[in-house]
Amino acid sequence: QKEVEQDPGPLSVPEGAIVSLNCTYSNSAFQYFMWYRQYSRKGPELLMYTYSSGNKEDGRFTAQVDKSSKYISLFIRDSQPSDSATYLCAMRANSGYALNFGKGTSLLVTP
Amino acid sequence: SAVISQKPSRDICQRGTSLTIQCQVDSQVTMMFWYRQQPGQSLTLIATANQGSEATYESGFVIDKFPISRPNLTFSTLTVSNMSPEDSSIYLCSVDPSRGGLESWSSNEQFFGPGTRLTVL
Repeated sequence: QKEVEQDPGPLSVPEGAIVSLNCTYSNSAFQYFMWYRQYSRKGPELLMYTYSSGNKEDGRFTAQVDKSSKYISLFIRDSQPSDSATYLCAMRANSGYALNFGKGTSLLVTP
Repeated sequence: SAVISQKPSRDICQRGTSLTIQCQVDSQVTMMFWYRQQPGQSLTLIATANQGSEATYESGFVIDKFPISRPNLTFSTLTVSNMSPEDSSIYLCSVDPSRGGLESWSSNEQFFGPGTRLTVL
């Protein structure tokens, strides 16, 4: 079993929809949780970062972490065609710096 | 934030040859990382390259196959040696500009380069 599981999709939604992206993980030592967005033929860019459990909101994006369930989510409100990309979850423990990535979920927002 | 460039952006190579990928950052950073992104797979850390010390390799990656140089605080190279088709992948460098604090936004950020798309025939 991989440490981080993420449904690769693809996920297709109409413009304006609320998108829910999720990852599960198995390592209870993970404390830092990130979401990256990767456009085709580009490097990943950091969207959100959360420490331990709880929610964080940034504009149309909300990140949630439920450590008891080992489950993290990224919600995108009022989705736009420009949100079409692959979304990668990543996480790491307190010690060290190695990020453990999910495989990424491909999102398509149609006009 | 940090702006990162990589060269080449893509290459097609013959098996048995080697390719050196360059990573240039627009500011001085202590920690640089090299990742591999194979088709349908997760981004996987190959090694950490700190200036002034030997690179630290993750399980499954060895220096003979992926030698790394880090001559200064803005530059690093990764060589993929004696390539086989299984090495076809996207190789990305990343940097962590800050290692301070527990919850500050400036920590735990890793900025990625655009990647080098390698195809081995």
